[in-house]
Amino acid sequence: EAGVAQSPRYKIIEKRQSVAFWCNPISGHATLYWYQQILGQGPKLLIQFQNNGVVDDSQLPKDRFSAERLKGVDSTLKIQPAKLEDSAVYLCASSSWEDTEAFFGQGTRLTVV
Amino acid sequence: DQQVKQNSPSLSVQEGRISILNCDYTNSMFDYFLWYKKYPAEGPTFLISISSIKDKNEDGRFTVFLNKSAKHLSLHIVPSQPGDSAVYFCAANAGTASKLTFGTGTRLQVTL
Repeated sequence: EAGVAQSPRYKIIEKRQSVAFWCNPISGHATLYWYQQILGQGPKLLIQFQNNGVVDDSQLPKDRFSAERLKGVDSTLKIQPAKLEDSAVYLCASSSWEDTEAFFGQGTRLTVV
Repeated sequence: DQQVKQNSPSLSVQEGRISILNCDYTNSMFDYFLWYKKYPAEGPTFLISISSIKDKNEDGRFTVFLNKSAKHLSLHIVPSQPGDSAVYFCAANAGTASKLTFGTGTRLQVTL
């Protein structure tokens, strides 16, 4: 069974530029999460989708971050414009409705300079 | 507000000995508690979980203990192996398909 796929693996951008990350969850998983992991901290939820609807985006900085999950499968997370403090690993995860655990992709390491 | 806390940033254990990683939580609404293992440049990998109605769950060398009255859980690894060297995250959620709240992680190093 294929795992959660994310791209790109690494990205370096200048502040005020925009960037987008892509995630393909495990086949059949209705729930998709985006987490932000800053160095030395645990992952923090940015947004949770159930199919193509948003369940929780309370921690998403909506003035600069946006996410969508068209057709309830793939998802993209965008940052526009990026700030230095956005430097982090962005993790995508998915789960089925009966899973207590979430399955994570390898993440995208973003460096904003 | 840190709802899940791992107060030990690092732990060093000799190969063959027991590793004990600790975690505390504050939110009584958590229903499941999970441990994830993370190697450098990889995403977290699920290790073991426990429901709030249990006090122990075992899977091979890994055992998780839950003390609800103290809002404390621990992960025991016996015997520890060099391949167990990684960062371990404690996490909790309110049920199936619900968001995970993570601790800050404990870096375990298993020495020869």
